[in-house]
Amino acid sequence: QVQLQESGPGLVKPSETLTLRCSVSGGSMRSYHWGWIRQPPGKGLEWIAYIYYNGGGTKKNPSLKSRVFISVDTSKNLFSLDLTSVTAADSAIYYCARGVTPMADDLYYFDLWGQGTLVTVPS
Amino acid sequence: EIVMTQSPLSLPVTPGEPASISCRSSQSLLHSHGYNYLNWYLQKPGQSPQLLIYLGSFRASGVPDRFSGSGSGTDFTLKISRVEAEDLGVYYCMQTLQSITFGPGTKLDIK
Repeated sequence: QVQLQESGPGLVKPSETLTLRCSVSGGSMRSYHWGWIRQPPGKGLEWIAYIYYNGGGTKKNPSLKSRVFISVDTSKNLFSLDLTSVTAADSAIYYCARGVTPMADDLYYFDLWGQGTLVTVPS
Repeated sequence: EIVMTQSPLSLPVTPGEPASISCRSSQSLLHSHGYNYLNWYLQKPGQSPQLLIYLGSFRASGVPDRFSGSGSGTDFTLKISRVEAEDLGVYYCMQTLQSITFGPGTKLDIK
């Protein structure tokens, strides 16, 4: 079955760019959206962004939009997140997820999630 | 932004008893094609969220039938007919009609 696995640096210095990757195994990326959600330790969930498998249909959280870049590489079965100018407030567990969609510019729900990767930005 | 609220935020339940969680949105989640863009997730301790209910009332694959979702527009409910010990965790509602936002979560623990 399809599995998602996040990878990233673990520790990022303030003002630097956080880069995360999500590897998709066991299935095709076609016809799905691929997204990122984060969760500060002990707190709730915050959606970051998602992208359609062909690179279109990209949407970002308005509160993060200016700092987020999301991309997809179906030839390598992975998608990536760049978050620029990080601060301690960006410390969180970052999850990648598969989005079920009726069309490129719409998303119903996330049905599969990765295990998450903890990213710490020291204050 | 569509704001999601949940109640209660904490829910102690005795195994075998029913449980109910409410989720409300600041705007209607009913799409023109008839679906409510409201989904429910359970995050068990130390795990990533898992999908329980999608589009308001459709049970996800593998989810026990003791879980059910109902509601439309701005008011939604997740019901567990008979709580089991494995149901403990935090339940989140999530809307996808306009951007994506989550509710604050309801922590269900076993008495």
